[in-house]
Amino acid sequence: QVQLVESGGGVVQPGRSLRLSCEVSGFTFRTYGMHWVRQAPGKGLEWVAVIWYDGSKKYYADSVEGRFTISRDNSKDTLFLQMNSLRGDDTAIYYCARDGISMLRGVSERLDVWGPGTTVTVSS
Amino acid sequence: SSELTQDPSVSVALGQTVRITCQGDGLRTAYASWYQRKPGEAPLLVLYGNNDRPSGIPDRFSASLSGTTASLTITGAQAEDEADYYCNCRDSSGNHVMFGGGTKLTVL
Repeated sequence: QVQLVESGGGVVQPGRSLRLSCEVSGFTFRTYGMHWVRQAPGKGLEWVAVIWYDGSKKYYADSVEGRFTISRDNSKDTLFLQMNSLRGDDTAIYYCARDGISMLRGVSERLDVWGPGTTVTVSS
Repeated sequence: SSELTQDPSVSVALGQTVRITCQGDGLRTAYASWYQRKPGEAPLLVLYGNNDRPSGIPDRFSASLSGTTASLTITGAQAEDEADYYCNCRDSSGNHVMFGGGTKLTVL
């Protein structure tokens, strides 16, 4: 069964860093692009970043560009999000999600499998 | 194009038909997908592409596109359909994804 499980969330002070992980199972991870999406309290979904299936391309939302880095380890079926210089408005539930088209040398809007999310709270 | 607009809330009587819309210039050239999000749960893909449904999604859910407006229609809404619904699509670069602000559906 296809499964994504995020971890690494927690409470962190403004300006500090945090690294999120997303372990996957039930499908061939190395053939799918992966996304991070977040939802701040009382707000809607916000796309954060995407990485191609082979890791060769990465794209970010303007709100996190230069502070966050998406990466993957295809040998360990794991996706990462390194978050630096965290701010209060980064407080959110962070979801990893699978791009719904395998072996796509691009990005699709079809996010067909999601993890349960991990909560990040940025507060002093 | 950098924005998708959804009505904040919509209501429907049990068993009736409801349409949720998503408007944005990007929809002229890009497909929209639709997600259902219930409290405490992860988002669930319910529609994508040219009115395609993932396995397990009831056929009362359908999608359409007219110009720059994508629509999700529920024909015969059920109590379990009460949720927030989000649309998304790729932006003009094709390398970023954007979400609409979401529509809270209430089934009366």
